[in-house]
Amino acid sequence: DVVLTQTPPTLSATIGQSVSISCRSSQSLLHSNGNTYLNWLLQRPGQPPQLLIYLVSRLESGVPNRFSGSGSGTDFTLKISGVEAEDLGVYYCVQSTHALWTFGGGTKLELK
Amino acid sequence: EVQLVESGGGLVQPGRSLKLSCVASGFTFNNYWMTWIRQAPGKGLEWVASITNTGGSTYYPDSVKGRFTISRDNAKSTLYLQMNSLRSEDTATYYCTRVQYSGAFDYWGQGVMVTVSS
Repeated sequence: DVVLTQTPPTLSATIGQSVSISCRSSQSLLHSNGNTYLNWLLQRPGQPPQLLIYLVSRLESGVPNRFSGSGSGTDFTLKISGVEAEDLGVYYCVQSTHALWTFGGGTKLELK
Repeated sequence: EVQLVESGGGLVQPGRSLKLSCVASGFTFNNYWMTWIRQAPGKGLEWVASITNTGGSTYYPDSVKGRFTISRDNAKSTLYLQMNSLRSEDTATYYCTRVQYSGAFDYWGQGVMVTVSS
């Protein structure tokens, strides 16, 4: 089974700071069709998760462009360029290249 | 506006059954795969079940295979999750989600709580 490892588990940031979250896969997420099915979700406290980024780097409609995704193969990164208060919560990477869906363990972004 | 509204949760004893429903609106339901995802209290996300847009195929992880059944009624724009032989480890908030063409979960319901306890 594919395992997604997110680091760090907790991230402390000040408003305006830029931060990055890593998601490392135990297997390459490049599908034989050429796509890489790696997405990022944000779950704010007390809320259901919301989709931020899909196919590694495509921004979901309505998501601010301070969020960006990058990576390939087994290593992926979510970057927030200038954290805002509404960005606090838990971030999850999720893959669907192999055997349907598996989630990373989450990275909690909190205020320093 | 896309809306997904779950219902049917509650407290149930181990070994018993429960059926969740999710009513969808704001999009053409029969064009999309749908999925149930759960989150145990204070824990991360776990994929539970998925169904193709026609309902012709279903998929489950080993943790629920043989106990849970996902189904849909496209005429009613409703998704279901029949949960049998419930265990304490099934205690979680269950989310109904729409699956985008890319495989991403682009819309989520507010979730429904299921507690398995004697």
